[in-house]
Order: sequence, then C-alpha cells, then structure tokens
Amino acid sequence: EVQLVETGGGLVQPGRSLKLSCVASGFTFSSYWMYWIRQAPGKGLEWVSSINTDGGSTYYPDSVKGRFTISRDNAENTVYLQMNSLRSEDTATYYCANNYGGPFAYWGQGTLVTVSS
Amino acid sequence: DIQMTQSPPSLSASLGDKVTITCQASQNINKYIAWYQQKPGKAPRQLIRYTSTLVSGTPSRFSGSGSGRDYSFSISNVESEDIASYYCLQYDNLPTFGAGTKLELK
Repeated sequence: EVQLVETGGGLVQPGRSLKLSCVASGFTFSSYWMYWIRQAPGKGLEWVSSINTDGGSTYYPDSVKGRFTISRDNAENTVYLQMNSLRSEDTATYYCANNYGGPFAYWGQGTLVTVSS
Repeated sequence: DIQMTQSPPSLSASLGDKVTITCQASQNINKYIAWYQQKPGKAPRQLIRYTSTLVSGTPSRFSGSGSGRDYSFSISNVESEDIASYYCLQYDNLPTFGAGTKLELK
C-alpha cells in the first residue's frame, strides 16, 4: 500500500524558516518524481515544487522560487521542503505527492503551516 | 506558464443528475490533464489522468474528454458520495491546477 506521511508543520513567524519532510512507503521511491502542493485555508490547490528521481532537477513556481528548496534522500525514502523567508501568504496545508501510476497520483494527509507573528 | 480556467466555480445538482465541469488551458496541453476529487478535510484523490483514463477504483459514472485547449469532466447519475470539490490539473508543462468546482446538492 502506498503511503506518504508529511511532518514538520507548525506555527512560525514571518521571515523565519521551516523544513517539511515526507516519508514514503509502498513503492520504489527512487524511481518516481515527487511533488509538494499547498492549499491555503478555504482556497484551491497550488503546485509548489517538483524533483526528479535522482534529485538533480528541481522546479518551482515564481511564488516560491528562491525561497523554497526541494530535496530528497532516496536511501531514507524521504522528500523534503526547506522553506525560508516565510510570508503570511505561505500559510497553507502542504501535501506531498508522487507520480506512481500517474501525475500526482498519491497524496499524503498534509501538514499545516501557519505563518504569523 | 499555462493557465487553467475552470468553470463553473460551483454547481448545484440533484441526485441522479448529470453534471459537467470544464477546463480551458491557455495553450494546447496535448491531453495531459488529470481530474481530482477533494472532500472537506481530506487530501485530493486522483480520478482521471490523460484526459479520459479512469484511475483504478474510479466509478464508471465519472468520465473525461477533450483535446487541444478544451477539456471536460462529467459525472452521470450524481450520488451523495460525489459531493465534493473537483480540480483539473495540466501536466504538459510546469503543473497548474484549475481554481476548483464545488459540487453541492440541490
């Protein structure tokens, strides 16, 4: 059974940093791209980042480029999202997803990040 | 970046109705569109990929079609368990989601 479990969310002050983790199981982690997606309270879905199988290629939308960094540890079956210079508009539930069987096929349960003073 | 214009933002249907949601891309996305269902407090669940391929476990009352820039998603014979929000996603280029459609019971 494919499982994705995100951790690391919480309350953080504007301008500070936070690192999210997503531990994967139930599929060959090193063979699949991984993604982060976020959803602000009451709003729609926004793609945040992508990483290829060996971590050599990463992609971001303009809204987080230069502030967020995605990485992965294939030995630990884990993908990370380092978030720096956080803003109030980064407040959201952050989901990780994979492309096992299709794009953004499986999702974790999400972790809530609240940016507030 | 490719923009996805999803409509309508909300939809009211009776049980047994057929409903249709559309997504228009700002450029040709070569059928690389997926559809997701999200219930309150839950993660999205993929229903359809590559325009019309039902993901394992997706009931046959769900369907998708389209080409080029224009795509649609339909639910025939709406059931109570279908009450949720629905999102399109293009993955021809850097991924972008539509704004979502909230399906409610009339």
